[in-house]
Amino acid sequence: GEDVEQSLFLSVREGDSSVINCTYTDSSSTYLYWYKQEPGAGLQLLTYIFSNMDMKQDQRLTVLLNKKDKHLSLRIADTQTGDSAIYFCASYLGGFKTIFGAGTRLFVKA
Amino acid sequence: EADIYQTPRYLVIGTGKKITLECSQTMGHDKMYWYQQDPGMELHLIHYSYGVNSTEKGDLSSESTVSRIRTEHFPLTLESARPSHTSQYLCASSEAGDGYTFGSGTRLTVV
Repeated sequence: GEDVEQSLFLSVREGDSSVINCTYTDSSSTYLYWYKQEPGAGLQLLTYIFSNMDMKQDQRLTVLLNKKDKHLSLRIADTQTGDSAIYFCASYLGGFKTIFGAGTRLFVKA
Repeated sequence: EADIYQTPRYLVIGTGKKITLECSQTMGHDKMYWYQQDPGMELHLIHYSYGVNSTEKGDLSSESTVSRIRTEHFPLTLESARPSHTSQYLCASSEAGDGYTFGSGTRLTVV
């Protein structure tokens, strides 16, 4: 069935790069998204990549997509304490259907 | 500024009460959604709408109902709140594959 999987936790030091990984099962995914959720808030769309792209860069964020392995990653360069949050990977299958992962909790140590 | 608004942010209510969670968006999006999320956990789709007068139930069974009389407004109603309804409720809207715009959520506690 359709599924999106992420590791639950990641801890990095301030200034280092963070890499959050995600795998998805449905090859018909057209868009893949990364959302950020801070405590007590809704989800904020960070970036997305169309399924025919391999990479997208947006300031400190780099998204890599390996469509063959159905693997998506989000790299945050020069991670700051303000980046501490939950990051959700999501796969858009068309219509109303978006599958969200369970979220990766990023802890940034000063 | 285009945005999506949810009210109230926090609600504590007694068992058996009827409540309506409000959601409005200013972007003119046809698609709107309600998700239930225990704090920091997975999102579960409970209702969605393709447009005015179109509502469907999502993947997670819910005792709530929704209506879509206007494009911008998608309220969710619980006829009789129970402690098992305690959760965070997130409203979102979208257009094609552009990703979702989420509201700030309503944190509901039923005592």
